[in-house]
Amino acid sequence: GAVVSQHPSRVICKSGTSVKIECRSLDFQATTMFWYRQFPKQSLMLMATSNEGSKATYEQGVEKDKFLINHASLTLSTLTVTSAHPEDSSFYICSAIAMNTEAFFGQGTRLTVV
Amino acid sequence: RKEVEQDPGPFNVPEGATVAFNCTYSNSASQSFFWYRQDCRKEPKLLMSVYSSGNEDGRFTAQLNRASQYISLLIRDSKLSDSATYLCVVNPNSGYSTLTFGKGTMLLVSP
Repeated sequence: GAVVSQHPSRVICKSGTSVKIECRSLDFQATTMFWYRQFPKQSLMLMATSNEGSKATYEQGVEKDKFLINHASLTLSTLTVTSAHPEDSSFYICSAIAMNTEAFFGQGTRLTVV
Repeated sequence: RKEVEQDPGPFNVPEGATVAFNCTYSNSASQSFFWYRQDCRKEPKLLMSVYSSGNEDGRFTAQLNRASQYISLLIRDSKLSDSATYLCVVNPNSGYSTLTFGKGTMLLVSP
């Protein structure tokens, strides 16, 4: 079946630094990928829609200059959390739709900013 | 009213029990409905889609009531391995442009 690979699975960084998270569709092309954030005991919240070859579409309240999204190819989208702060600590998950059927999720990245 | 609302949890049930999860959604134009399962600190995985006619997959039965904007998931003969958080997911559009997640209901199946 379709696989979405997300890397890294866990990262700890210092406050003020930037962290890049990669999301790859391994056996299918994804013109659109989605980035979610999940705080403890909360639901997944859509942050942005990543479109190959064009700018990402951000949800209301999500700072586009802080959460940089690059969808450089049909199989890779990256999310960069810039100038990370402790309140950015969360579980970040990407997903992609395979052949307009099911949404597949990456394994998630647990970000801890200290 | 929240877009997707689920029963608050957790549900603690013994092995073999039948458990039902309920979910309501606010957007009457929503097109697609799903139940996802999320294990602790893992990504969500599709459990089953929910069709208007209702559908069953082994011990799992999903129902949709468009008039009441209500979705349900029934798990029969609960197993220890069913312990997880169950997410009600709604796609408000005809395509797969967005998915709206409920908060999830945690199920704990004990021996």
